[in-house]
Amino acid sequence: QVQLVESEGGVVQPGRSVRLSCAASGFTFSNYGMHWVRQAPGKGLEWVAVIWHDGRRTDYADSVKGRFIISRDNSKNTLYLQMSSLRAEDTALYYCARDGATGAWDYWGQGTLVIVSS
Amino acid sequence: EIVLTQSPGTLSLSPGERATLSCRASQSVSSTYFAWYQQKPGQPPRLLIYSASTRATGIPDRFRGSGSGTDFTLTITRLESEDFAVYYCQHYGSSRGTFGQGTKVEIK
Repeated sequence: QVQLVESEGGVVQPGRSVRLSCAASGFTFSNYGMHWVRQAPGKGLEWVAVIWHDGRRTDYADSVKGRFIISRDNSKNTLYLQMSSLRAEDTALYYCARDGATGAWDYWGQGTLVIVSS
Repeated sequence: EIVLTQSPGTLSLSPGERATLSCRASQSVSSTYFAWYQQKPGQPPRLLIYSASTRATGIPDRFRGSGSGTDFTLTITRLESEDFAVYYCQHYGSSRGTFGQGTKVEIK
């Protein structure tokens, strides 16, 4: 069955960096685009970034452009999100999600919490 | 940039009642790239409806999506206890995704 498992987040100081990963299994990872979506505590869903199936194209929300980098290693079935120059407003639960065959996001990880605080 | 506005913010209903959730787009969008998700506390979102009206795998037929252009609706024909949750609409065209702010369906 399809599984997406994010790495542990944690507490990070403002201005510092952290890398999240999302391990995929149960499907041919290299065939699918992947997204990162975040949810601040008690708030709604915010799309963060997308990467094409082959890694050749990426796109970012304006709120993270220039600070976050999405990447993937298809040989390891793993998606990454490198987060730099972190701000308090980046505090959120971060989900990875698969861009399904229909274009809708059909599978989601359980999420990993990143808290930006001194 | 497309903005999705959901209404109402909260819907208080009893099990067995019909729920009607609305989502309005700031400009016309293709129904091919319109979805609804359900999220329960402590869980990730779950895809319910894609292409505005097609149920995702395993979704019961009491969930019905409709609409086009700027106005979309999710109807739950008869609420069951497991349906009390937050629902998000989404436009997923051009690889990005824009979400509405959510409608909470709570037990009256």
